[in-house]
Amino acid sequence: EVQLVESGGGLVQPGGSLRLSCAASGFTFSTYWMAWVRQAPGKGLEWVANMNGDGSEIHYVGSVKGRFTISRDNAKTSLYLQMSNLRADDTAVYYCATYGVMAAITDWGQGTLVTVS
Amino acid sequence: EIVLTQSPGTLSLSPGERAALSCRASQTFSSSQLAWYQQKPGQTPRLLIYGASTRATGIPDRFSGSGSGTDFTLTISRLEPEDFAVYYCQHHGSSFGQGTKLEIK
Repeated sequence: EVQLVESGGGLVQPGGSLRLSCAASGFTFSTYWMAWVRQAPGKGLEWVANMNGDGSEIHYVGSVKGRFTISRDNAKTSLYLQMSNLRADDTAVYYCATYGVMAAITDWGQGTLVTVS
Repeated sequence: EIVLTQSPGTLSLSPGERAALSCRASQTFSSSQLAWYQQKPGQTPRLLIYGASTRATGIPDRFSGSGSGTDFTLTISRLEPEDFAVYYCQHHGSSFGQGTKLEIK
């Protein structure tokens, strides 16, 4: 069974930094694309970033480019999101997610709340 | 970056009725790159459809997806009480539409 467990969320001041982690288990982590998706309170889903299995291909949504960095440690089966220069509109629940067939997201963590205030 | 626009924003229907949710893209892409998700309050999203028309594992056959090019549709043939939720389309594992809320009339 796939398990994705996020951690690292919390309250941070504007301009501050935070590092999110996602511990993955139940699948061959190193062979899967992974993503971070966020959802502001009462709002829709927003894809933030994704990365392929060996970390050689990375994509970001425009609003976080230059501020967020996605990374992974395949030995630790963990995904990370380093967030800097945080803004109020970065406030959201951040989900770790994994892709299945045809780049559809098949599994989600329960999310970690980041509040920038 | 492809922008997906979903309509309507809110759809009010009764159980037993048919629902048609639209997802329109800012540019053409392969139908293999379109997915649909359902999200209920307090829950994580659930994959319904991938490749525009293939149901994910365990999804009832009252859910169907269609479309190509820039226009895609999620159809729920006969609404069950548990189908009232928010639905999102997504392009190639990245950009999401803004969602359609399906509410009980």
